Formats: sequence, C-alpha cells, structure tokens
Amino acid sequence: SQQGEEDPQALSIQEGENATMNCSYKTSINNLQWYRQNSGRGLVHLILIRSNEREKHSGRLRVTLDTSKKSSSLLITASRAADTASYFCALRRNTGNQFYFGTGTSLTVIP
Amino acid sequence: EPEVTQTPSHQVTQMGQEVILRCVPISNHLYFYWYRQILGQKVEFLVSFYNNEISEKSEIFDDQFSVERPDGSNFTLKIRSTKLEDSAMYFCASLDRVGEKLFFGSGTQLSVL
Repeated sequence: SQQGEEDPQALSIQEGENATMNCSYKTSINNLQWYRQNSGRGLVHLILIRSNEREKHSGRLRVTLDTSKKSSSLLITASRAADTASYFCALRRNTGNQFYFGTGTSLTVIP
Repeated sequence: EPEVTQTPSHQVTQMGQEVILRCVPISNHLYFYWYRQILGQKVEFLVSFYNNEISEKSEIFDDQFSVERPDGSNFTLKIRSTKLEDSAMYFCASLDRVGEKLFFGSGTQLSVL
C-alpha cells in the first residue's frame, strides 16, 4: 500500500494533556506531512518533514520521522478543546506530485 | 489568505444522473487534485491535473469520471452516471508554487439516492 496508516484510530484526552499519534508507511518518501480536518471540512496543512530530517517543531506541534522504521509521530503538547479534529499523515513520494493520505486519527480533547 | 472554493457544498442526485462538481483553485497554483472521502474514512486520491491534462489518476477514476479546466479558473469533476457508491465528500485541492503544501477546499457532499 502507498498510503500511511495512522494509529490510534481514535484518541480521547483531557485538556492540557499531550496527544501523540503515529503514522506508518511502506514506500520510500520525499517528505511526510500532517494535515488536520475539522468535522465536515477540508484538510489543513500543519507541518512537513523531509526524508533527511528527524524532528521538526511548529508551535505546540512536534513531528518526528524515522525512515529506517518508516514511521512518523505527531505530538500535540498542552492540548486544547479546539484541537479536537481528525489528523492525517500524507506521504509524498520521490517522483511525481502525488500525495497519499492515511486513514486518520480522530482526536477528542475533553475540556 | 487565498483559498480554494468549491460549489455546491451539498449535492443530492438520483442514481444514473450526471453531476458536475466545481472548484476554483488558488489562482497562481499549477497542480490541481480531486480527492474523495466516504463518511469518516480515508481520504482517497482520484486524479491530479497539470497543464490542462491529467497527470495521474487512481483506479477509482474510471470512465465515469472526467475533469476539465474550461476557462483557466474553474476546475470541474464530472461523474457521468452516478452510482450509490459515489456518495462521498469530494475535495478539490491545489498545490502551492513551491510544490510542497496542498490547499483544500471545504468539499462537496454528494448524496446519490
């Protein structure tokens, strides 16, 4: 499969806690991206990590990439109720302009 | 901030009817995409479009589907004879000029009855 697989499928945490979601994949990639989707809305780009990078930060987001294990994780620190959404990883291969999305993790942050 | 717009937001149609879903990508973007998402499931790639022709398409994008950029602004997805299983949220997206980030529209919810 060229898509990523996120886990867990669903995650429920209390406001203020950290949320970690994972993405595993099978192909070689140029970069891996994380997107957020609020219910019934389009996806919004959050952060991109290139295949030669191991970790990136953006505000409360931290993403890691382990190309040897073909996996990535997204950490949201100090979660807020407004972080409630589905989170998808997207793989960008080395050739072409194709993006392959995973199955998503549904995050619920309880106030 | 520029955005991708899609119309209509909801479309209800009878099985066998033709539907056209419309999108206006961000004006200086060059690559355009259609994805679909069946309720609560994965986001599936349908087709990408560049320089007025299909760049890549998935196995979902069969002869019932077509895309067009009729006027340099709109980007349309046509489903010729809709089936029940075509019911899904259809998203249009365009790729930024750097070629890194996808910008998505809010989607068209298609219901085939």
